[in-house]
Order: sequence, then structure tokens, then C-alpha cells
Amino acid sequence: DIQMTQSPSSLSASVGDRVTITCRASQSVSNYLNWYQQKPGNAPKLLIYSTSSLQSGVPSRFSVSGSGTDFTLTISSLQPEDAATYYCQQSYSIPWTFGQGTKVEIK
Amino acid sequence: QITLKESGPTLVKPTQTLTLTCTFSGFSFTTSGVGVGWIRQPPGKALEWLALIYWDDDKRYSPSLKTRLTITKDTSKDQVVLTMTNMDPVDTATYFCAHDNCSGGSCEFDYWGQGTLVTVSS
Repeated sequence: DIQMTQSPSSLSASVGDRVTITCRASQSVSNYLNWYQQKPGNAPKLLIYSTSSLQSGVPSRFSVSGSGTDFTLTISSLQPEDAATYYCQQSYSIPWTFGQGTKVEIK
Repeated sequence: QITLKESGPTLVKPTQTLTLTCTFSGFSFTTSGVGVGWIRQPPGKALEWLALIYWDDDKRYSPSLKTRLTITKDTSKDQVVLTMTNMDPVDTATYFCAHDNCSGGSCEFDYWGQGTLVTVSS
């Protein structure tokens, strides 16, 4: 199985801050890397797919860089509605695997 | 518009078999490339991928749970059923079904059901 490791596990930042979350795969996943946002009590929501493609309706303040094994999700200017847990997920090989999540809180 | 909804028991006893149904609309298994997956999330924990089924009846399972899982589809009813045998308290989780979009070459879960919490307890 491909292990997905996210860091940090949690962070607290102020509105307007630039926030970065890292996702590392235990082996190359090419560009088969997706990101989801989950708010408490809700289902995950697809944010970004194929490493860098924004899902329809996702604000452009979200972006992803990387390929292979190392990926970074960046929120360029944190907004109150971005408070959530973020998960990376690889769809390169079965079993598809998720990272352990990064909880983003607003100071 | 694509929607999915999970249904099934909220409480099962240890050793029992869990049967969950995902009823969807807005797409059909008659369309090439369509897939539906199951993902679970124990309370306060991360997401775990369980199984996938595709329009051509191709089925994929999590290796760690493969012996306990069965995924089937009913094309005429627009439903996917997941069964998990020998339930244990560690299987307590919210179970989600999701639409698997592989149209762009890669695959991602672009639409999710609301999830259903299943508690395993005697």
C-alpha cells in the first residue's frame, strides 16, 4: 500500500495568512493526487484533483504544487470559511489511500 | 445533478453482517467509465477507502478488508450495495459512498453522500 503522510497534523493561522500543507507519498503517485476539505459533520468535498486542477466552484486561493512523492496544498489568503480538515488521497494504485488529515483552525 | 445517499442499520452487533445501500441519481452504470466507491471514517479519525465498483462490474477492494467485503450494483435501481461480514466494534464509523470520476485520466471522488453512522455494539 502507498502510505500518505501529511504535515502538520494541525495548524492555527489568522485570516489573510498564507497556509501550506504538505503531503508525502511513500512511493511515486505521478500526478494522481487529490485533495478534499471536510468540515465537522459533513462529507468530504473535492477541492483539487490530478494534483493541480481546481474542482468547479473552488476559490482560486487554493493551489497545489508537486509531483511524484511530494505535494503542497497552499491557501494563499486564509478565510474564515477555510476552517476544516484537509485530506490528500492518491488514486495511483489500489488500495487508494488517504493522508491522516490536517486540521486548519482560525486564530 | 449528481446525488448519493447511504442507507442501512445504525446499530449492528458484533459478528453480524452489515449491509449498506447507496442510492444515487444523476448518473447511471449504463455509462462507460462510471464508478461508485465506499469510504469510511471512524469517529475523530481519518478516511479509509474500502471498495469500488465500475460500470463493467470491475470490483476493487481494500486488501486489509477484502475477505470481509462484497460490493455489488443494481443498474436498474441505481444502487450499490456493500456488505461487510463479522462486524467488530472497531468497524464503528461513518460510511460514505461516492461517485468516482475517472473521465480525466486520473480518478477522484467528486460527489459524496452525506454518510451514515454505523455503531457496532452488543
